[in-house]
Amino acid sequence: DLQMTQSPSTLSASVGDRVTITCRASQNINSWLAWYQQRPGKAPKLLIYKASTLQSGVPSRFSGSGSGTEFTLTISRLHPDDFATYYCQQYNTYSRTFGQGTKVEIK
Amino acid sequence: DVQLGESGGGLVQPGGSLRLSCAASGFAFRNYDMNWVRQAPGRGLEWVSYVSNDVGVKSYADSVKGRFTISRDNAKNSVYLQMNSLRAEDTAVYYCATENRNYGGVFEHWGQGTLLTVSS
Repeated sequence: DLQMTQSPSTLSASVGDRVTITCRASQNINSWLAWYQQRPGKAPKLLIYKASTLQSGVPSRFSGSGSGTEFTLTISRLHPDDFATYYCQQYNTYSRTFGQGTKVEIK
Repeated sequence: DVQLGESGGGLVQPGGSLRLSCAASGFAFRNYDMNWVRQAPGRGLEWVSYVSNDVGVKSYADSVKGRFTISRDNAKNSVYLQMNSLRAEDTAVYYCATENRNYGGVFEHWGQGTLLTVSS
C-alpha cells in the first residue's frame, strides 16, 4: 500500500517565521499531491493541488513544491491564522492516502 | 455556493449498522466524484471511500472493505455510506467531500461532518 509520511509531526514557530513541512510518498506519485489545512473543530480546507498549484483564494504566502516521492509545503511568513494542522494527500490511485499531519503551534 | 451537509451519525453498538447521508446543493452534483473521509477523535484524516459521478467506479480503504458500501442518488443530489459490522475503531467524524472536476482526487469542498460513536 502507498504510504505518506509527514515530518515533523509538530512544529513550534512564531508569527512571521518561515516554515517548511515535508511529505514523502512510499512510491512515485508524480505530482499528484495536495495539501490541506485544518483548524480545530473545522473541516479541512484545500490549499494546494498538483504539488504546487495554489487553490483559488489561498494566500500567496503558501507554496508547494516537489515531485515523485518528496514534497514540501512552505509558509513564507506565518500569520496568526496559520496555526493549524496540515495534511498532505496523494491521489495517484483511486485509493487516496493522507499523511499523518503536522501541527503548527505557537512557540 | 457549494454546500454539503452530512447526517445520520449517532451512537451504535459494536456489530451494528448505520447509514450516513450527505446532501449537496449549489453545484451540478451529477458531474462530481464524491468521497467519504473520517477523523477519529484526536487523530488524523483517513480516506474511507470514493464513488465516481456516474457510479461506474467505487473504491474503499482496506480498513472498511467488505463492511462499508458507498452509493449515490444523482436525482436527490445525495451520497450515502452504508456501514455494517461496526467496530469501536470506526468511531470518528465522517466528512463527505467533492473532488475537483479537473483534478480527480483533490478534495475541493467538504461538509462539516457527522459524528459516529461505536460503543456498548
